[in-house]
Amino acid sequence: NAGVTQTPKFQVLKTGQSMTLQCAQDMNHNSMYWYRQDPGMGLRLIYYSASEGTTDKGEVPNGYNVSRLNKREFSLRLESAAPSQTSVYFCASSEARNRGTGANVLTFGAGSRLTVL
Amino acid sequence: DQQVKQNSPSLSVQEGRISILNCDYTNSMFDYFLWYKKYPAEGPTFLISISSIKDKNEDGRFTVFLNKSAKHLSLHIVPSQPGDSAVYFCAASGPIGSGAGSYQLTFGKGTKLSVIP
Repeated sequence: NAGVTQTPKFQVLKTGQSMTLQCAQDMNHNSMYWYRQDPGMGLRLIYYSASEGTTDKGEVPNGYNVSRLNKREFSLRLESAAPSQTSVYFCASSEARNRGTGANVLTFGAGSRLTVL
Repeated sequence: DQQVKQNSPSLSVQEGRISILNCDYTNSMFDYFLWYKKYPAEGPTFLISISSIKDKNEDGRFTVFLNKSAKHLSLHIVPSQPGDSAVYFCAASGPIGSGAGSYQLTFGKGTKLSVIP
């Protein structure tokens, strides 16, 4: 019953360094998401993948890239980290939601805390 | 432009009493509303949802009320228990992007509930 697994849980980077956050889900969900949570800002969508082979920008995509490696895995890459990217990052997955179906309930991972110095 | 607003950053309630968490939204295209609960160092977990065609949904101690004309929803927890102490996020589901049938969640900033024994 792993659900959504994120690695690493913690990471400290220097400005300009690059890194990739990994995410894998074992629920056979079609859709996957990356959110960031900042104090007083709630959860903001960075990128999402509605289905394998597709990715789209969310609310705050600048400075990030994503790869939907296969149905299970969705990675988030910071090419040149900046202090403004210090945040807690959450990966989530869900069944695809189309008009006429019920609410798309997301299952979240435990989060990855990233600090950029 | 915040489409989902939780105007109370925090709320304290005595154990056994009712907790009422409020949420307002601006986008009339939202057709499902969800509440998530988040404990420190964990990912958000789904609590309860409501369709925009309903005005009430109940699940045990948790009830969500929707006033569509006022674009307002609330989560009632009765009776409140110390284990309910967490951050509660209101989320709304609606179409975004250019992809047909692409529905995503927009989150509020959250309300921290403290239930005092």
